Amino acid sequence: NAGVTQTPKFQVLKTGQSMTLQCAQDMNHEYMSWYRQDPGMGLRLIHYSVGAGITDQGEVPNGYNVSRSTTEDFPLRLLSAAPSQTSVYFCASSYYTVALNSPLHFGNGTRLTVT
Amino acid sequence: SQQGEEDPQALSIQEGENATMNCSYKTSINNLQWYRQNSGRGLVHLILIRSNEREKHSGRLRVTLDTSKKSSSLLITASRAADTASYFCATPSRGSGGSNYKLTFGKGTLLTVNP
Repeated sequence: NAGVTQTPKFQVLKTGQSMTLQCAQDMNHEYMSWYRQDPGMGLRLIHYSVGAGITDQGEVPNGYNVSRSTTEDFPLRLLSAAPSQTSVYFCASSYYTVALNSPLHFGNGTRLTVT
Repeated sequence: SQQGEEDPQALSIQEGENATMNCSYKTSINNLQWYRQNSGRGLVHLILIRSNEREKHSGRLRVTLDTSKKSSSLLITASRAADTASYFCATPSRGSGGSNYKLTFGKGTLLTVNP
């Protein structure tokens, strides 16, 4: 099993450009989520999904869009990149229960720089 | 706002010593999870403790949970240089819609184990 796969690993964008960060999992997990990690800020939740067709906002959703058309994929779209979106982005997935008591499996991250 | 907060922010010890990290959270939870992150990599799940459990062990890891104080601790015994990493606690909380749960992380404790 590949687990959680994120692409690309590195990306440089110019301000105003758009792009999509890809995330795919092959574990049939219902719950998928996107976090960004900045120095001194820990992990902050951007968007999450508890199943195909269901998405919700996390702590820092502005400037990002998501959709969940399949169980396997959960792409994160940057609509108009800004330098403040320079960060490391992690996708994570788990089995979903009402209590969310299953561990998250993380991808290896996408390091994004916006100039 | 972030649900869990780790303390201390950084901890430096010698190999063979024990390391203790603490996590405080704000609202009632049904479980609390600990993760480790090696530099630049995705997070790895260490241990999950449910709200009706007070202590849990996994190898050299011991986690306690005190729901009355809304706090948890992670103890690593007989530490090794390979334990050098950042450690995060994570707790589920209800999303903005009130029905689905999301997992949010604290800012982490950076543990350095000196050989």
